[in-house]
This record gives sequence, C-alpha cells and structure tokens, in this order.
Amino acid sequence: GNSVTQMEGPVTLSEEAFLTINCTYTATGYPSLFWYVQYPGEGLQLLLKATKADDKGSNKGFEATYRKETTSFHLEKGSVQVSDSAVYFCALNRAGGYQKVTFGTGTKLQVIP
Amino acid sequence: DVKVTQSSRYLVKRTGEKVFLECVQDMDHENMFWYRQDPGLGLRLIYFSYDVKMKEKGDIPEGYSVSREKKERFSLILESASTNQTSMYLCASSFIREGQPQHFGDGTRLSIL
Repeated sequence: GNSVTQMEGPVTLSEEAFLTINCTYTATGYPSLFWYVQYPGEGLQLLLKATKADDKGSNKGFEATYRKETTSFHLEKGSVQVSDSAVYFCALNRAGGYQKVTFGTGTKLQVIP
Repeated sequence: DVKVTQSSRYLVKRTGEKVFLECVQDMDHENMFWYRQDPGLGLRLIYFSYDVKMKEKGDIPEGYSVSREKKERFSLILESASTNQTSMYLCASSFIREGQPQHFGDGTRLSIL
C-alpha cells in the first residue's frame, strides 16, 4: 500500500538557519505529492505541491522537488523565521481513485530568535 | 475564499452519548473527509464521501458512522461515545480530479468524560 515517511521531530533551529525536512514515499503509479502546514490551534493548510516527476513546488520561500528515482519530496527553506514554527506534514495523493490522501506523521518545527 | 467550517471548536460529552460533528464546505467539492489527529499518530482517515449519500470506510471506521445528505455537508456520528474517542477531529474537502489538494477546517477538539 501507500505510505509516507518523514523525519521525526521536533526540529529546533535558530532564526535564519537553513531548513530541511526529509520525506520519502512508497506508492504505486505516479502520485501527486504535497506539503501541508499546521499552525497551533488551526487545521492543515496546503503549503506546496508537485504533480509529476522533477516538478518543483514552491511557496513562501519553501521548496520541494518531486524525485521519482529516490521516491523523495524533501522540504527546504533557505532562511527560517520564528513565524515558520508549526507542524509540517508530507502527503501523497495516489493516482486514480477518489483522491484519498496518505499523510506522514508530521514534523514539528520550532524556530527560536 | 475557500471555506471549510466545523460546527464546534471544543466539545465535551459523556461516555455513551451519541455525538454529532458537523462540517460544511462552500467550494462545491465532490470529496469530503473526516480524520482524527492524535499525538505521534498523525492524521488517520475515519470515513470519506465522494458524492451525496455515498461513503467509504477509511482506516479506523470502528465506532463511527457518517452522513452526507447534501453535497456541502458531511456529518460524523459517534454512536456511543467512549473515552478512547477523545481526540482532535478534522474535516476536509477536495475536488475529485487528480492532483487536487484537500482543504481543512480548524478542527473540533472532542473530550469524552
């Protein structure tokens, strides 16, 4: 079946540090890949997505590239801010079917001033 | 703007009660989903619906049922609430086309005493 594995948290970084959150997946076919962000007390929001191999999704300074050869979709940001503190979820949306989504367990990021 | 509204942010009920959680979306999405979110377990799919009156079991349907009488509304029902159903419940909706992201409500934190 489908699965998503992302790095355990929490991740603690100083402001302006470089961020990488690793995500790998297992899926049949060609899924779409997503990163969602959850701020305290809120639901999940879409951060970025990529729908085919070698696509790069980007938003708010975050980037992730769909790597089919390594089945990965790592999230990166060059310079994090305190306001980026949140929980980040990697997810895949399998090809076909009713668009059920498989989520990773989430990685909590804390950015300190 | 996209809107998924859950009827309550916080809810406290007693063991054995029948509990209704309501979710409304205003985006004409075909798909609607109910998840529960627990620390260390990420998001787990309870039920989803791809059309009015249609429903499919997710990964953890035991103890829950759902109702979708109108396209915009999806209800989660706890037939006889138990303490192990204390959790954060998230509703989401999406278009049925491939690559479409899910849009989430802010969640209902349910406590069963």
